[in-house]
Amino acid sequence: KAGVTQTPRYLIKTRGQQVTLSCSPISGHRSVSWYQQTPGQGLQFLFEYFSETQRNKGNFPGRFSGRQFSNSRSEMNVSTLELGDSALYLCASSLLGQNTGELFFGEGSRLTVL
Amino acid sequence: SQQGEEDPQALSIQEGENATMNCSYKTSINNLQWYRQNSGRGLVHLILIRSNEREKHSGRLRVTLDTSKKSSSLLITASRAADTASYFCATDAGQGNTPLVFGKGTRLSVIA
Repeated sequence: KAGVTQTPRYLIKTRGQQVTLSCSPISGHRSVSWYQQTPGQGLQFLFEYFSETQRNKGNFPGRFSGRQFSNSRSEMNVSTLELGDSALYLCASSLLGQNTGELFFGEGSRLTVL
Repeated sequence: SQQGEEDPQALSIQEGENATMNCSYKTSINNLQWYRQNSGRGLVHLILIRSNEREKHSGRLRVTLDTSKKSSSLLITASRAADTASYFCATDAGQGNTPLVFGKGTRLSVIA
């Protein structure tokens, strides 16, 4: 069974640009969650999607958005990038949702904003 | 926010020794999970303990949960160099579809 796949793995952008990250969950998993990880703040919850609906949203500005497709694949977008957006963005999938059991994480997309 | 906090922030031990990490949280929970992360990689689930359980084992891992103290501990016995990683606890809010909240982790270094 294939694991959670995130693309791209590494990317460099400049301030003001926008970026789209992709996440393919484990087959059959309907929930996809996104986290931002930085050395100072640790893992911060961005949002969770379940069956194409946003179920939860963390405390991030509107520049951060996401969506989920009918095949459960998810994308997140960050517009008007700032230096502080440099982070490891982690996607996690689960069968029924975040607080029902184990999360399966991808390897992450490391974003550097210059 | 209801964030778990791991203690210590960093731990360095010799191979073969036991490593103990602690997690404290603020509100009641349904379950508590422990995850491991190798440097710059994704997190890997280690163990889940439910609020009505007090202790759970998985291989060299032993997790305890004390809901009266709102704390949990992760014990790794007979540690190996390959156990070098960051360890995180994650808690839910005990009700509804609330997100898992992760602590900032304990950085474990096992010296061969």
